[in-house]
Amino acid sequence: QKEVEQDPGPLSVPEGAIVSLNCTYSNSAFQYFMWYRQYSRKGPELLMYTYSSGNKEDGRFTAQVDKSSKYISLFIRDSQPSDSATYLCAMSEPEGDSSYKLIFGSGTRLLVRP
Amino acid sequence: DGGITQSPKYLFRKEGQNVTLSCEQNLNHDAMYWYRQDPGQGLRLIYYSQIVNDFQKGDIAEGYSVSREKKESFPLTVTSAQKNPTAFYLCASSRQGVGQPQHFGDGTRLSIL
Repeated sequence: QKEVEQDPGPLSVPEGAIVSLNCTYSNSAFQYFMWYRQYSRKGPELLMYTYSSGNKEDGRFTAQVDKSSKYISLFIRDSQPSDSATYLCAMSEPEGDSSYKLIFGSGTRLLVRP
Repeated sequence: DGGITQSPKYLFRKEGQNVTLSCEQNLNHDAMYWYRQDPGQGLRLIYYSQIVNDFQKGDIAEGYSVSREKKESFPLTVTSAQKNPTAFYLCASSRQGVGQPQHFGDGTRLSIL
């Protein structure tokens, strides 16, 4: 079992839809959670960064962390064709030998249809 | 603008050849990382460096080597010992400390001739 699981998609939605992207994880020590957006043939770009549980909002994007369920989500409101990309979740521990490391999900491909 | 520059964008390797991928950052970050990305497998850590003149193996270091002689630079050599080198290679950097988000370059795609 992978430490971080993410549905690969593709997820296809019409323009203007609300998109929900999710990751589950098995390591209860994870405290730092990130979402990256990756366009084709480009490097990942940091979208959202959260510490521990709760919600964080930035424009059309909301990141949610539920540590009790070991589940994180990224919501995109009023989705646009320019949001079409692969979305990667990443997380890390607060201390210990592995604290330098980000553990990535394998990414969900999103397609927003005009 | 601050950022991470990877070069070349595309690279071809012949059998038995070593090739070096360049990574330069002007973000004044102490830590730098190399990842390999294969379809459906996400990012896997090859090597990382938290300070100049020091680096550690990641999860898939076999067949790769690195150096960190300058804070700004962290080149990756893919040696002939790496039997399956075709992949998208990503360099990242971050501030020192736990939980720091990593910032990525735009990658180098390596293929075998």
